Amino acid sequence: SQQGEEDPQALSIQEGENATMNCSYKTSINNLQWYRQNSGRGLVHLILIRSNEREKHSGRLRVTLDTSKKSSSLLITASRAADTASYFCAPSAAGGGNKLTFGTGTQLKVEL
Amino acid sequence: NAGVTQTPKFRVLKTGQSMTLLCAQDMNHEYMYWYRQDPGMGLRLIHYSVGEGTTAKGEVPDGYNVSRLKKQNFLLGLESAAPSQTSVYFCASVPTSGYNEQFFGPGTRLTVL
Repeated sequence: SQQGEEDPQALSIQEGENATMNCSYKTSINNLQWYRQNSGRGLVHLILIRSNEREKHSGRLRVTLDTSKKSSSLLITASRAADTASYFCAPSAAGGGNKLTFGTGTQLKVEL
Repeated sequence: NAGVTQTPKFRVLKTGQSMTLLCAQDMNHEYMYWYRQDPGMGLRLIHYSVGEGTTAKGEVPDGYNVSRLKKQNFLLGLESAAPSQTSVYFCASVPTSGYNEQFFGPGTRLTVL
C-alpha cells in the first residue's frame, strides 16, 4: 500500500463556497478513495475513482484523477456547515488485502 | 444491521496492564482491519485479516496481537500497555477482495498512564 498526502492541511471557507482538496501519491494505483471523518468519529467512505477514470461525481462531490501526475482532487460544491470535517485520500494498489494507507488529511471548516 | 461496532468506547490503562479490544461486524464481511490514529495524524494500519483464522501485520504491528477466531469478530490485544499506545483505535471491514470501500467502527479511545 502507499500513502496519500493531502493539501492543504487546513481550509476555512464560508458556507456556500466551494472547497477543493488535493491528494498526491507516489506509485501506481488501482483506485483512489476519499473518506470523511467528523470530529471523534470513524471514517466514512465518500467516493472511489478507478485508475482508468478521470472524473467522477456524487451529489455535491466531484473527484478528478490524473495518473500521469499521480494526483487527485476533491471538490465540494456549495459547502454547508455540516461539511466541516477532516478529509482523507487513500490510494490503493492492486491486491495485498485491500490495505489502505491514509495521509494526515485536510481539515475543512465551513463557517456560517 | 448494527454495522461495525467496537467495545469498549473508552478505556484507561496503567503501564504494563493488558487488555483486548473487540471489533464485531454483522455484515458477513471477509476482511477486517485495525488502525490507530494519533492527534493530527492519519490512520496507520496495525494488523488485518483476510478471513476467519487468518491475520497479517500492517504498518505498525509491534506491541499488538490479533485473533480472528470467528468471522464476525476481530480482537486486538495489548499484552503490556505502554504510554506510546495511547491513541484512538478504529476497526474497519470490507465484504470481499473485489470490494474496496472500508466500513469503519466508531473507535475506541485508549489512554495508557
